[in-house]
Amino acid sequence: AQTVTQSQPEMSVQEAETVTLSCTYDTSESDYYLFWYKQPPSRQMILVIRQEAYKQQNATENRFSVNFQKAAKSFSLKISDSQLGDAAMYFCAPNAGGTSYGKLTFGQGTILTVHP
Amino acid sequence: DSGVTQTPKHLITATGQRVTLRCSPRSGDLSVYWYQQSLDQGLQFLIQYYNGEERAKGNILERFSAQQFPDLHSELNLSSLELGDSALYFCASSVDPGDTQYFGPGTRLTVL
Repeated sequence: AQTVTQSQPEMSVQEAETVTLSCTYDTSESDYYLFWYKQPPSRQMILVIRQEAYKQQNATENRFSVNFQKAAKSFSLKISDSQLGDAAMYFCAPNAGGTSYGKLTFGQGTILTVHP
Repeated sequence: DSGVTQTPKHLITATGQRVTLRCSPRSGDLSVYWYQQSLDQGLQFLIQYYNGEERAKGNILERFSAQQFPDLHSELNLSSLELGDSALYFCASSVDPGDTQYFGPGTRLTVL
């Protein structure tokens, strides 16, 4: 079974500072995508960033960037210049069944608190 | 707004009952996915449809069934409900299987 591990149940950061959320996963596929989603108190699942496993370049989306280490099966999310609106539960979700299927396997999540 | 709609937003029912959750994907998306989020199980994949056909199954109970209709909307049917079925049920859609999934706002089911 595919597993996703987010080893930090909770993280906190000061406004305007940088924080990194960790994620490791297990897959036997060579071609897949990886996603980070955030879930604010409204419970809506919001896409933060996507990484294609075949790309060596790490994805960046404004203040959000990833550090993707394919061999190590590691996919961390860096949030720069943290804002109060970044406070949420963050889920790492590889499409570890391969690009043919799309099933997302979610980690247990990391609760991010942003202090003013 | 992701463009994925789910109805109803909230549902309160009793044990043993049957309910139907409805999802309309984003315009142009052919794949629909159902996920369950509960306190003890976390976020779990239930089932996937692509252009009307079942594509993949996850941890979906036999009491649960789903389908995708010709207009691409999908319904998730939950029967013989138990207290443990109380959860937030998400629908997501994507253009192709494996592509980025966009989530609806969820249906919160409470079984009393």
